[in-house]
Amino acid sequence: AAGVIQSPRHLIKEKRETATLKCYPIPRHDTVYWYQQGPGQDPQFLISFYEKMQSDKGSIPDRFSAQQFSDYHSELNMSSLELGDSALYFCASRQRGGSTDTQYFGPGTRLTVL
Amino acid sequence: QKEVEQNSGPLSVPEGAIASLNCTYSDRGSQSFFWYRQYSGKSPELIMSIYSNGDKEDGRFTAQLNKASQYVSLLIRDSQPSDSATYLCAVNAYGGATNKLIFGTGTLLAVQP
Repeated sequence: AAGVIQSPRHLIKEKRETATLKCYPIPRHDTVYWYQQGPGQDPQFLISFYEKMQSDKGSIPDRFSAQQFSDYHSELNMSSLELGDSALYFCASRQRGGSTDTQYFGPGTRLTVL
Repeated sequence: QKEVEQNSGPLSVPEGAIASLNCTYSDRGSQSFFWYRQYSGKSPELIMSIYSNGDKEDGRFTAQLNKASQYVSLLIRDSQPSDSATYLCAVNAYGGATNKLIFGTGTLLAVQP
């Protein structure tokens, strides 16, 4: 079965640089979530989209922005990177109105800021 | 106080034993509960979801939910070394349009061969 695809899988950036993370949800899933997981931490919700509209916002820094496109893929844009942004970034998708509200996670992007 | 609480562990059990993982949550209005397994550096993988009070069994896994006590647990029977991982309890937080997940800090399970 198709899964959530994230790219790139690994990314190394310098402080103050920008980064763009991409997420391709499971086919027919219309809702995308972004989570950030720091070392030894639990995943923290950043932002979500439903039908290309932002639907909920969590602890996402103002330096970060995201959007969902017409093909339902989503991109997380991160600017003025800081050392503390080093983390695993997961995208999850879900089919709203499906039989369950289960979110399925992608493999993640490991961002390292030097 | 975190919204979802778990013992961080490590919980060490011998191979073949039952592992019992516990989770409490603070939002009494929560409706959906999930257990995810996460290997180091990998993404969370869904093990079980549970929505109603009582037990739900799937193979070697049994999830238990008690909404009155705001408590959810996961039992793993016949534990195997491959079950060694961090188990994340997650609760669906109803707010906004899309029901974000609130995670506990996870319990590290170590199954000793």
